[in-house]
Amino acid sequence: AQSVSQHNHHVILSEAASLELGCNYSYGGTVNLFWYVQYPGQHLQLLLKYFSGDPLVKGIKGFEAEFIKSKFSFNLRKPSVQWSDTAEYFCAVKPYGGSQGNLIFGKGTKLSVKP
Amino acid sequence: DSGVTQTPKHLITATGQRVTLRCSPRSGDLSVYWYQQSLDQGLQFLIHYYNGEERAKGNILERFSAQQFPDLHSELNLSSLELGDSALYFCASSVTTSGGTDTQYFGPGTRLTVL
Repeated sequence: AQSVSQHNHHVILSEAASLELGCNYSYGGTVNLFWYVQYPGQHLQLLLKYFSGDPLVKGIKGFEAEFIKSKFSFNLRKPSVQWSDTAEYFCAVKPYGGSQGNLIFGKGTKLSVKP
Repeated sequence: DSGVTQTPKHLITATGQRVTLRCSPRSGDLSVYWYQQSLDQGLQFLIHYYNGEERAKGNILERFSAQQFPDLHSELNLSSLELGDSALYFCASSVTTSGGTDTQYFGPGTRLTVL
């Protein structure tokens, strides 16, 4: 069965620190990849997505992610975090071309940014 | 604001009861997905409807059912509620279905508390 692993359950950083959140998936075929963010008490918002082409994708709010096919990874990065980035981050995978269109989510990583 | 609406925002009910959660997709979206978010299970896919027809089922209990109406809004019915059904229920919508390169946009969720 397909699965998504997010390595860090909780990350605590100071403002201006760099961020990298790991995401690995298990699926042998082509996938669409997503990062969603959930601010406290809010719904999931799309940060960025990868369908094809340049493996380095840029999203909103200065976030970017790199797809490394050989490592089945799609890590999220931000050079300098702000207090307002405090949220939970979810990596999600959708197998491409299959009969099911649902997303498979990782368990999420909580990011706390200290001012 | 993603354009996906969900009602009610909060629902408190007792064990054994039945509730209905409602979702209206973004204008033009034909697919509606339902997800359950709980502390222990994370974000789990429940069921997918496309243009009124059920397309896929995930980890949905037999006590739960859903439908999508001609105006494309969807309802998730939860019956014989148990304490463990307390969770956030999200719906998401997208333009197409299955393995295409479409993006799911999430609603604000319904927080269900079963006492």
